[in-house]
Amino acid sequence: QLQLQESGPGLVKPSETLSLTCTVSGGSISSSSYYWGWIRQPPGKGLEWIGSIYYSGSTYYNPSLKSRVTISVDTSKNQFSLKLSSVTAADTAVYYCARHFRGFSYWGQGTLVTVSS
Amino acid sequence: DIQMTQSPSSLSASVGDRVTITCQASQDISNYLNWYQQKPGKAPKLLIYDASNLETGVPSRFSGSGSGTDFTFTISSLQPEDIATYYCQQYDNLPLYTFGQGTKLEIK
Repeated sequence: QLQLQESGPGLVKPSETLSLTCTVSGGSISSSSYYWGWIRQPPGKGLEWIGSIYYSGSTYYNPSLKSRVTISVDTSKNQFSLKLSSVTAADTAVYYCARHFRGFSYWGQGTLVTVSS
Repeated sequence: DIQMTQSPSSLSASVGDRVTITCQASQDISNYLNWYQQKPGKAPKLLIYDASNLETGVPSRFSGSGSGTDFTFTISSLQPEDIATYYCQQYDNLPLYTFGQGTKLEIK
């Protein structure tokens, strides 16, 4: 059974860079035909797709966040990562990693990241 | 960018009721639409893919229909465990994705 687990700091200061890692188990991140993505959800609000990386390394970002987002993959560790720069309080959210193609079929449990000084 | 308009934003219904949620796309997305269920404190769960296909293991009381710009999600007989927030999500222009605003479903 495929499992995903987010990890990273739960508190980030304004203007700094948010960094999260998603560790995949029960399957290879190098499997063809799948994307590995990040989605976030501010407290009490809806879901926002941040971006995704294909197994080949190609990346795709939400245009609204593109200037601040970098997603990378480490196939040797079966992990992919998110970096979001110049964060503000508006970036406070639960961040989820997920495997997807058309639909997001496998999700991590989510990790709350708070932006505060 | 494709915008998704989901309605209603909240809904109160009784056990056994038929519940319907709609999602409208700002442009034709064929059948490239999914539906998710999210319970409090949990990650979303994919219920319906390609507008009308039931994900494996999802109860048959859940269904989806529609194509083009107008889509419908239905629970044929509401159960207490269906209390959740439901989201539509389009993928017309892979791999760019947009979610609807969500519908919070409560028991009356």
